[in-house]
Amino acid sequence: AQSVTQLDSHVSVSEGTPVLLRCNYSSSYSPSLFWYVQHPNKGLQLLLKYTSAATLVKGINGFEAEFKKSETSFHLTKPSAHMSDAAEYFCVVKGGTYKYIFGTGTRLKVLA
Amino acid sequence: DSGVTQTPKHLITATGQRVTLRCSPRSGDLSVYWYQQSLDQGLQFLIQYYNGEERAKGNILERFSAQQFPDLHSELNLSSLELGDSALYFCASSDPGETQYFGPGTRLLVL
Repeated sequence: AQSVTQLDSHVSVSEGTPVLLRCNYSSSYSPSLFWYVQHPNKGLQLLLKYTSAATLVKGINGFEAEFKKSETSFHLTKPSAHMSDAAEYFCVVKGGTYKYIFGTGTRLKVLA
Repeated sequence: DSGVTQTPKHLITATGQRVTLRCSPRSGDLSVYWYQQSLDQGLQFLIQYYNGEERAKGNILERFSAQQFPDLHSELNLSSLELGDSALYFCASSDPGETQYFGPGTRLLVL
């Protein structure tokens, strides 16, 4: 069975400092993994996805994630946080043919 | 803009009523997914359609139903509404590469 765990429900960083949002997954298959961002009262926007090509995936807005099979992790990072990064972030694993499993979300707060 | 459209944007109704939410997928996408997002339950997968046929079911109540039409748009019908059904309802469509693209959502308030 597939599952995904976002290890932090809230993360606070200062503007200009690095961001790390953690995600661990469990999958019987070679997984497809995604990160989405949701700004307040908006829909979910795709940040990046991993589909068994390069293990380091670059996304939009300076975000990237590294797929580590040995650690079953897919953490999201950004070198320097911007105020506009404040949002909720969801890690998603595609389990099987049809099912997408969402993490519970990490709310990122960026302090001025 | 994801290319997925949802109407209406906001909906206010009373308990016991029935509403219909509409979703148009991105051009060329055959799959449509419905999700419910609430403060206490988070993001819950409801149901998926592929080219007019139901493909997967999640935590969808019996009072809720959906369908996908030949032009690929989808409707989510919510009946006998309860206060607890107040939530954001998202539709997403997916491309052959598995990426889901989400619409802006319909905010439902049941009074």
